[in-house]
Amino acid sequence: DIQMTQSPSSVSASVGDRVTITCRASQGISSWLAWYQQKPGKAPKLLIYAASSLQSGVPSRFSGSGSGTDFTLTISSLQPEDFATYYCQQANSFPALTFGGGTKVEIK
Amino acid sequence: QLQLQESGPGLVKPSETLSLTCTVSGGSISSSSYYWGWIRQPPGKGLEWIGSIYYSGSTYYNPSLKSRVTISVDTSKNQFSLKLSSVTAADTAVYYCARQKIGADYWGQGTLVTVSS
Repeated sequence: DIQMTQSPSSVSASVGDRVTITCRASQGISSWLAWYQQKPGKAPKLLIYAASSLQSGVPSRFSGSGSGTDFTLTISSLQPEDFATYYCQQANSFPALTFGGGTKVEIK
Repeated sequence: QLQLQESGPGLVKPSETLSLTCTVSGGSISSSSYYWGWIRQPPGKGLEWIGSIYYSGSTYYNPSLKSRVTISVDTSKNQFSLKLSSVTAADTAVYYCARQKIGADYWGQGTLVTVSS
């Protein structure tokens, strides 16, 4: 089974900061990776698919990069509505999915 | 606009079977481009994929749950369903249904299922 490891598990940042979250797969997954944002009491929201493709309607301050085993989600200028928990998810064995453990972005 | 809605009991007794249905509206579950999946999230914890189904009935399950899970589809009702048998307190979670491609782009609002006597 493919394991997904996210880091850090939490990050404190201020509005306007650049925030980077990393996700590492236990084996190569090409670009079969997605990123989600989840706010308390809500379903996850798809931000990025295929490692770097921005989902329709998602602000351009969100970007994804990487391939193989190492991936990054970057928020270029953190906005108040971006404080949330972020998850990566591999789909190399689609439709089977594996999620990372999550990264909570908190207000500094 | 596609919408998914989970329905089913919010309380299930230990050792019994959890049953949920996801109703899809605003689009067809018979689309050839997508799988339809169940994902759960225990309180305060991360996301766990349970399993997925294609409109033809092909199913894929999380190996850790495979012995207890059954997912089915009813294309005439535009619904798919989850059954999880022999539940314990560890199965207490918010259960989501979702449309899957590489990412899951549409989700239901989620339904909390508590396992307790």
